[in-house]
Amino acid sequence: GAVVSQHPSWVICKSGTSVKIECRSLDFQATTMFWYRQFPKQSLMLMATSNEGSKATYEQGVEKDKFLINHASLTLSTLTVTSAHPEDSSFYICSARTSGRPIQYFGAGTRLSVL
Amino acid sequence: QKEVEQNSGPLSVPEGAIASLNCTYSDRGSQSFFWYRQYSGKSPELIMSIYSNGDKEDGRFTAQLNKASQYVSLLIRDSQPSDSATYLCAVTLSGAGSYQLTFGKGTKLSVIP
Repeated sequence: GAVVSQHPSWVICKSGTSVKIECRSLDFQATTMFWYRQFPKQSLMLMATSNEGSKATYEQGVEKDKFLINHASLTLSTLTVTSAHPEDSSFYICSARTSGRPIQYFGAGTRLSVL
Repeated sequence: QKEVEQNSGPLSVPEGAIASLNCTYSDRGSQSFFWYRQYSGKSPELIMSIYSNGDKEDGRFTAQLNKASQYVSLLIRDSQPSDSATYLCAVTLSGAGSYQLTFGKGTKLSVIP
């Protein structure tokens, strides 16, 4: 149980294009989903918290117009990196939790390379 | 700033030995504590969760929590080369209704065959 599917697992794109990453909870209802970014040899940094049906809450320093998050259902959240630039290249990881439980289950991550 | 601190390592132990990983946190009101394992290039995988003072055992893993000392640890018995990974300590902050996690920077463990 508690499986979170994330795709694509890796993506290469040209500078200026947009990239969408999907995160799905396969066997539970994800009342809250989280999006993290991890640069090489660093820990996970929370980008935003997303509750189903509500606007995402972004962490300080994360541009909400650049990183668009949608959590339209209890099983799906998407992160769109708009007008990606090389400095956006990173490992993006989603996680999900269900109501009443603090445990977060992580997707496999998406490695983004912007050329 | 509420923080979670871990020694970055690397921590090297011989195969079969006990690996001891430590973590301290600054938010005295923290309620939930987790250990995640992260292999290089992969996403974190939950190893243990602990919510009350004392020890919690699961197979070769034992988590220990001391809220008075704001300290949580993970013991890995009979360490195997496959345990070589970065271990992340994570804590939920008090008052974080959405259960946001704050992660330490991780301790890299190497188990030497």
